[in-house]
Amino acid sequence: QKEVEQNSGPLSVPEGAIASLNCTYSDRVSQSFFWYRQYSGKSPELIMSIYSNGDKEDGRFTAQLNKASQYVSLLIRDSQPSDSATYLCAANTGTASKLTFGTGTRLQVTL
Amino acid sequence: GAGVSQSPSNKVTEKGKDVELRCDPISGHTALYWYRQRLGQGLEFLIYFQGNSAPDKSGLPSDRFSAERTGESVSTLTIQRTQQEDSAVYLCASSLMNYEQYFGPGTRLTVT
Repeated sequence: QKEVEQNSGPLSVPEGAIASLNCTYSDRVSQSFFWYRQYSGKSPELIMSIYSNGDKEDGRFTAQLNKASQYVSLLIRDSQPSDSATYLCAANTGTASKLTFGTGTRLQVTL
Repeated sequence: GAGVSQSPSNKVTEKGKDVELRCDPISGHTALYWYRQRLGQGLEFLIYFQGNSAPDKSGLPSDRFSAERTGESVSTLTIQRTQQEDSAVYLCASSLMNYEQYFGPGTRLTVT
């Protein structure tokens, strides 16, 4: 059983729309959650971290965490073609160190 | 400031040879991680170093894999007797304590 699950996509949204990316995790003791963006052939780039229930906003990005439902999401407002990438959700799964990554959701922003 | 750097960026080796991959973390970052990403797949944790503590080696796939870190600086990942299934991108990340991890550009390893 995967510890962090994401829909692989592709998720296709038109330019200017809101993209909603979702992630569920199985380990209830997970405390920290991260969203990374990975362009094809490149390494993951950290875009958001969230530690507490609720919303956290940074520019066009909003991360949402619901620990009771074991659910994390990332909203991208005013989606741009440059947002087209794979988005990886990661959770700190109990040990103080290791991140467990989902397999990623591929986002396509169309013109 | 400088980010995480890795070398080489690409490595092609013959099956059965040993390879060494290098990672230079962000200055001041106490934690260092190695991950593997096979083509089209997610990131697979390999090993974690935190200061002078014993490393967490729980992700190493076999005893052909080993890693060292000198203090809070450079780390090397060594793969002995490489196999074709070792072909992947090997990613290094560093963090301050156990918070956000920042990745290097990776080393693409191809075993022929």
